[in-house]
Amino acid sequence: DTAVSQTPKYLVTQMGNDKSIKCEQNLGHDTMYWYKQDSKKFLKIMFSYNNKELIINETVPNRFSPKSPDKAHLNLHINSLELGDSAVYFCASSRGTGDQETQYFGPGTRLLVL
Amino acid sequence: QQQVKQSPQSLIVQKGGIPIINCAYENTAFDYFPWYQQFPGKGPALLIAIRPDVSEKKEGRFTISFNKSAKQFSLHIMDSQPGDSATYFCAAQETSGSRLTFGEGTQLTVNP
Repeated sequence: DTAVSQTPKYLVTQMGNDKSIKCEQNLGHDTMYWYKQDSKKFLKIMFSYNNKELIINETVPNRFSPKSPDKAHLNLHINSLELGDSAVYFCASSRGTGDQETQYFGPGTRLLVL
Repeated sequence: QQQVKQSPQSLIVQKGGIPIINCAYENTAFDYFPWYQQFPGKGPALLIAIRPDVSEKKEGRFTISFNKSAKQFSLHIMDSQPGDSATYFCAAQETSGSRLTFGEGTQLTVNP
């Protein structure tokens, strides 16, 4: 039983294309996140939703648009992909937004833009 | 501006050694400090965490030492094993929200 799942696991695409990554959690959590991990393994938060409401929106190009159809799902759509978007994207979830809430990460989506 | 600085970037020890990973922070509003462990091809997973009202927390072979006045904390792995080889991230979180600020990561290799 995968707690936080992401699809696809790998994504290879050409510059300029539009792509989506999907995330689902079966933990009953209220809060979900998208993180970007670059080639140096640095992890940076991009977005967070709590009960389908956007609560964290970091300085991310507006080509990136998250969407939460319900609190168990958080998708990430990327328009006009650029070489610099190549990274591993992790979805995570937590029970709520308070401190000390453990964040559970998905397995990641490895995006390569050619 | 990197709010949580982590060192070293990489670390190689022999089995049984005690690797130590250090982190320093600037934001005094941080009040929760988790460590995450990431194996190749996997997502990070919570390993151990500490609040600044204690100076040390131990779970199995993993210990966090915390120095509030110096704004530093560190992870010690006792009797390290090859299976501990992974990337370790320190992180910090403010009381007011769920945002985790991560350190740059330390790639640990434990040789047999």
